[in-house]
Formats: sequence, C-alpha cells, structure tokens
Amino acid sequence: GAGVSQSPSNKVTEKGKDVELRCDPISGHTALYWYRQSLGQGLEFLIYFQGNSAPDKSGLPSDRFSAERTGGSVSTLTIQRTQQEDSAVYLCASSEVRRPSYNEQFFGPGTRLTVL
Amino acid sequence: GDSVTQMEGPVTLSEEAFLTINCTYTATGYPSLFWYVQYPGEGLQLLLKATKADDKGSKKGFEATYRKETTSFHLEKGSVQVSDSAVYFCALGVGSSNTGKLIFGQGTTLQVKP
Repeated sequence: GAGVSQSPSNKVTEKGKDVELRCDPISGHTALYWYRQSLGQGLEFLIYFQGNSAPDKSGLPSDRFSAERTGGSVSTLTIQRTQQEDSAVYLCASSEVRRPSYNEQFFGPGTRLTVL
Repeated sequence: GDSVTQMEGPVTLSEEAFLTINCTYTATGYPSLFWYVQYPGEGLQLLLKATKADDKGSKKGFEATYRKETTSFHLEKGSVQVSDSAVYFCALGVGSSNTGKLIFGQGTTLQVKP
C-alpha cells in the first residue's frame, strides 16, 4: 500500500516568509509525528498527534512553528516568519497505536526547506 | 532527560569486515529501542527493534540486543557489504498516554569499500 507522502519535496523561501508543509500519513494510522533533520542538530522531534488527544508540542522550537491535523488524517506544519536556521529536512512519520507493544513509525521522504 | 548517544562516524570498513556501532541510552521507565537506517537518497526506514530487556532484534544480518544493565543497544553485523553503506540511527521510543516520540542519536555514517 501507499506509504507516508509529503509535499513539497523541496521548498526554497526567503527569510521572513511563511511556509506550509504537508503530510499524508498511511491510511488507518492514528498517530502522526513531525521531526526535523538538520546538520547541526541531528534528528529532532517536533510534534506528535494521536487520535483526538491533545498533541504533544514539546519539541516545537519556537512559537513560529505550529501544526494541525485535520480529520485525523492529513497534517500541515506551518513555519511563520522563516529564519535561516529553519533550513532543514522536515520528516513526517505515522504509526498504528496498539498497547502495550510499541509500534513502528513509518517515515515519509521529507521536505527539504531552504531559507535564503 | 531521555537521550541516546551513539558512536561518531564516519566508519569506513572493507567488504566482509565485522561491524559494531555503539549505542547507549538514558531513560526513565522501560523504553523500546530501535535502529533506523537511511540509505543514500532514501527515507528513514526501520532496521530492527527490541521492546524489552534481553530482546534481540535482527534483520538482514544485523543484530542488536537490549541490555538494560549496561543501557546499551549496540548494532552488529558479521560481514558487511557495499550495499550496507548508509547512515544508521539508534533511537529510543518514549511511550506514555500522550506521547510516542522517538529520540534519536546523532547518526553514524557507514562506508563500505569493495
């Protein structure tokens, strides 16, 4: 079946502009995650959605970053007033959630964001 | 807080050499442990996992054993191939009622030469 998809694959923007990154999770996966991969910081967790629960936003680096998930499926990560340090690859992942076993996260190909 | 430390790379080996990539973790509770791999130009994919102490994850000749006493999850392979060249990430799964995030190590680049 289809995996996690992300769009756009590449985004170049100017400093100060807003950007929106989209993630389509695997159908039926109730958990959705955003991570950021950058040279200086490695792979960092940003935000996690699980069903109707309040999202875990503990990884968002500043209030310029926000994310929403509509209808329990597609998610959009928005970065306002982009800065050069926001340049990174933004990864989305999804998983089923079955307790007690911890479930595999399936990653999308990422969106490479370049802020000029 | 929870964290993962893995050996710095790059690691350069000849084909058929033995591979070890060290990974240690700090965590409260009983985390799950993972190795993810990122091949050149491709996305992250799960290589293997272990969900409790003494579990051994294995796939494609790679193995890692969850050692609670040493808080380690070292990745090993007996005979590497050129096709194993990739970046390997050790990760800690933090599970609770409202978070399932992964905490990653910095990644170790492996280059296998023919």
